[in-house]
Amino acid sequence: AQTVTQSQPEMSVQEAETVTLSCTYDTSESDYYLFWYKQPPSRQMILVIRQEAYKQQNATENRFSVNFQKAAKSFSLKISDSQLGDAAMYFCAYGATSGSRLTFGEGTQLTVNP
Amino acid sequence: GAVVSQHPSRVICKSGTSVKIECRSLDFQATTMFWYRQFPKQSLMLMATSNEGSKATYEQGVEKDKFLINHASLTLSTLTVTSAHPEDSSFYICSARTDRYTEAFFGQGTRLTVV
Repeated sequence: AQTVTQSQPEMSVQEAETVTLSCTYDTSESDYYLFWYKQPPSRQMILVIRQEAYKQQNATENRFSVNFQKAAKSFSLKISDSQLGDAAMYFCAYGATSGSRLTFGEGTQLTVNP
Repeated sequence: GAVVSQHPSRVICKSGTSVKIECRSLDFQATTMFWYRQFPKQSLMLMATSNEGSKATYEQGVEKDKFLINHASLTLSTLTVTSAHPEDSSFYICSARTDRYTEAFFGQGTRLTVV
């Protein structure tokens, strides 16, 4: 069974600084999808970034980028120029195929200090 | 991206009554819908997976007779909490996926309080 582990229950960052959230996963599949979702206090799940395992290039979305290490089964999220609105719970998620269930990590609560 | 609408956002019910939560995909056909339960400051716990026109698949430990899931169409799935008890109070979230998109789309969630 696939598992996703986020080893940082809480992280904090100063506004405008950079922070990296860690995620590791376990799978025997060679093709899969990885995601970072953000859950602000409203509790609406918002997709931050996605990565297809067959792509070697790390995904980037504006201030958000990932470091995808397939051999190490690591998928970290880097947030640059942190903003107060980035404060939220961040979940790393694994999906075996498009349309299949997602397996979530435990979450990392990110605080952004002004 | 696609939109999933979940209603109601909040509901309070009396112990012993039933509550229905609706999840609709507004601009796409969701081949699969998922229902999650989330406790404060914890991750999403998958309760069941439903495919249109077939019976839902429940995760181990989830009572299928208590949490009734109906996926009557490609755009609507419902979760009915039957004979609700205070311990059923929680945040419930639906999610939809389709082969057309790689990611899952989530409803706004429903906060259920059983008094």
